[in-house]
Amino acid sequence: KNQVEQSPQSLIILEGKNCTLQCNYTVSPFSNLRWYKQDTGRGPVSLTIMTFSENTKSNGRYTATLDADTKQSSLHITASQLSDSASYICVVRDNNAGNMLTFGGGTRLMVKP
Amino acid sequence: GAGVSQTPSNKVTEKGKYVELRCDPISGHTALYWYRQSLGQGPEFLIYFQGTGAADDSGLPNDRFFAVRPEGSVSTLKIQRTERGDSAVYLCASSPQVGGELFFGEGSRLTVL
Repeated sequence: KNQVEQSPQSLIILEGKNCTLQCNYTVSPFSNLRWYKQDTGRGPVSLTIMTFSENTKSNGRYTATLDADTKQSSLHITASQLSDSASYICVVRDNNAGNMLTFGGGTRLMVKP
Repeated sequence: GAGVSQTPSNKVTEKGKYVELRCDPISGHTALYWYRQSLGQGPEFLIYFQGTGAADDSGLPNDRFFAVRPEGSVSTLKIQRTERGDSAVYLCASSPQVGGELFFGEGSRLTVL
């Protein structure tokens, strides 16, 4: 069964600090992996997409990495801001006919002043 | 419209009642997805449409749940004989094509008393 596990479940950091969120998956065959940011009470918004051949991709202060061999991804947030407080969800798409998505449970990040 | 629109944003109902949740996708998007999200969890797949037809409804939890998309645009998620366990945020997402990026609505928060 396809699974996506994220860690930590929750995280509190001080404004200005960096943090790294982890995503491990067992989805096969792999198509792509997206990180979404979900503000409280809002729908998820895509931050980055990683395909099999990509190791690193940046979007402003967000940098995602992918190791397709170990089936791990990380999302690194640099110089955190209060507005980074949100849930970050890792979503992996398979490459079967249905192109199904498997969602992780998310990491709830709180940035404190 | 500019984004995915969901109505109502909040719905409070009594156990046993019938509920309809509406999703208006981004114009031209052929794929439409329904997810359910409980507090502190990632979105859980319910059903997705390609055009007017339900391409995969394997996530619907039981026969109290039903969704339609009669003209290939607006979709309605219907829940009969609501139970307290149905309380959650119901997210709708649309995509230009199957396998493309999902654009989420703000969700409909359902509370069953």
